Amino acid sequence: GEDVEQSLFLSVREGDSSVINCTYTDSSSTYLYWYKQEPGAGLQLLTYIFSNMDMKQDQRLTVLLNKKDKHLSLRIADTQTGDSAIYFCAGGYTGGFKTIFGAGTRLFVKA
Amino acid sequence: SQTIHQWPATLVQPVGSPLSLECTVEGTSNPNLYWYRQAAGRGLQLLFYSVGIGQISSEVPQNLSASRPQDRQFILSSKKLLLSDSGFYLCAWSLTGGPYEQYFGPGTRLTVT
Repeated sequence: GEDVEQSLFLSVREGDSSVINCTYTDSSSTYLYWYKQEPGAGLQLLTYIFSNMDMKQDQRLTVLLNKKDKHLSLRIADTQTGDSAIYFCAGGYTGGFKTIFGAGTRLFVKA
Repeated sequence: SQTIHQWPATLVQPVGSPLSLECTVEGTSNPNLYWYRQAAGRGLQLLFYSVGIGQISSEVPQNLSASRPQDRQFILSSKKLLLSDSGFYLCAWSLTGGPYEQYFGPGTRLTVT
């Protein structure tokens, strides 16, 4: 079945770049998303990329997609302490009923 | 603008008691609606989704049920809670067209004792 995998933890220093990686198994994913969850809150959509794109940049966020390797990454430039959160990678399909979420990567930003 | 509400924010219930969690969406019509459960330190498990009033699809067999009595109202229920039902319950909505990004409510923290 469909699966999305992420590393569980990442620690960076404030001001450095963070790169959160994700692999997915289902090549029919039409959309790939990155969500952010702060403690005790719901998920917030950060950005998404269509499966026919290689890269998308949105301010400090850069998403890279390697379809051949089924690998998605999220780069956060100039990481701030406010970026500390859990980041979820997710794959979606036309019809939108089933979005498969990874287990989330907990990002720790050290001052 | 669209907003999504969930209540209660936290809930402590004994084993065997009933459950009712409510979710409402404002500012959009005919959304897709979803209930997820997030166990501690884990990802999201899709429990139910709905594409319209009275239309509920269940993703996992369990003692939970969902209902959609109105277009923008989604309810998660149980007749008898189990310890394993503890978790963080999230409601979400999406448009019926692409890119189907989901917008989440603030969540309900349920502890079954």
